[in-house]
Amino acid sequence: DTEVTQTPKHLVMGMTNKKSLKCEQHMGHRAMYWYKQKAKKPPELMFVYSYEKLSINESVPSRFSPECPNSSLLNLHLHALQPEDSALYLCASSQDLGLAGGRDTQYFGPGTRLTVL
Amino acid sequence: GIQVEQSPPDLILQEGANSTLRCNFSDSVNNLQWFHQNPWGQLINLFYIPSGTKQNGRLSATTVATERYSLLYISSSQTTDSGVYFCAIGGSGGSNYKLTFGKGTLLTVNP
Repeated sequence: DTEVTQTPKHLVMGMTNKKSLKCEQHMGHRAMYWYKQKAKKPPELMFVYSYEKLSINESVPSRFSPECPNSSLLNLHLHALQPEDSALYLCASSQDLGLAGGRDTQYFGPGTRLTVL
Repeated sequence: GIQVEQSPPDLILQEGANSTLRCNFSDSVNNLQWFHQNPWGQLINLFYIPSGTKQNGRLSATTVATERYSLLYISSSQTTDSGVYFCAIGGSGGSNYKLTFGKGTLLTVNP
């Protein structure tokens, strides 16, 4: 099973709201990722977690706060977002960050479409 | 960082036709994945292919790492093949998992 799930599917929030996006995988993967995708653009990496520790933050503004409570779950906490943050937020996972045997193959969830009013 | 170029940007086919999508990249790679993004936004893994050739049903892919390109072949296309096809690259030097996506090829298959 190569399934990554994300909730909610759609989210509308105001600029003063606090909300969270959730991602879950049960493949035993130890690396998890957040990507942001604007309309008609490719996905862009935001964060990488490896063994529940933050490995990469691609200079993402602090209004986005990731959290990895355990090896199966990844959250993205949102606060004081701007309308330009409206996008599709994609979560992915891989076995780990290593190379051998394609352990770095990434599997994506269906995404959360976020609209900031 | 690594540069990824995909061609063509748009492709319109009649059902049953074959097609070839190309991905050129600027540096050596340790991770190369082809994805299909359906109209609902789901990114579906097609191939993990940093080198060599793989086939899965009507789809096949070839990566020639020494010449820095990868090809995705779609045979006997169906309307459900419509969507955006992305090539994503992870480089060498410990950055294999930091995928850089090309701009994609938008494929439309008409009945």
